[in-house]
Amino acid sequence: AQSVTQPDIHITVSEGASLELRCNYSYGATPYLFWYVQSPGQGLQLLLKYFSGDTLVQGIKGFEAEFKRSQSSFNLRKPSVHWSDAAEYFCAVGRPPMEYGNKLVFGAGTILRVKS
Amino acid sequence: KAGVTQTPRYLIKTRGQQVTLSCSPISGHRSVSWYQQTPGQGLQFLFEYFSETQRNKGNFPGRFSGRQFSNSRSEMNVSTLELGDSALYLCASSVGDGTGYFGPGTRLTVT
Repeated sequence: AQSVTQPDIHITVSEGASLELRCNYSYGATPYLFWYVQSPGQGLQLLLKYFSGDTLVQGIKGFEAEFKRSQSSFNLRKPSVHWSDAAEYFCAVGRPPMEYGNKLVFGAGTILRVKS
Repeated sequence: KAGVTQTPRYLIKTRGQQVTLSCSPISGHRSVSWYQQTPGQGLQFLFEYFSETQRNKGNFPGRFSGRQFSNSRSEMNVSTLELGDSALYLCASSVGDGTGYFGPGTRLTVT
């Protein structure tokens, strides 16, 4: 069964500083990996996804993530954080949808606080 | 294209009642999945419908059910509500590539 671990429940960074949110997954084959962001009381917004190919993927709002198979990781990064990035971030893993459908398994989330 | 819409946005129900939530997917998306989000359990998959058929089911009791219509709109129903059913219910639609596009959610409060 798939699982996702986000080791950091809370992270605080200063505005303008770089950010890295950690995500480790457990899945036997090549996973479908996603990062979502959620503002309080809102739905989830897709930041980026990885299915195959180039292991460094670019997303919206200046975010990027790198897939490292050897470490079973898919960490999210941003070079310079803005106050508006304060939110909760979720890493998720899926399987090939043609065989398994579109079910996603989510990590527990990391709450990002930005200091001015 | 319009995004995923969910109605109603907020609901307050009493224990023992039943509730129906609605989700309209992005135009052209035939897959609709439902998730429950609570502070204690996080985001948990309820079920997925594709072309009016349930394709996946999570580990929830039979009180939770759903259906999908020919226009891909989906409803989920919770019968005999319990206090623990209070949650944000999120719907996600997909064109079939594995990516879920989420709606704003329905906040259900059971008193």
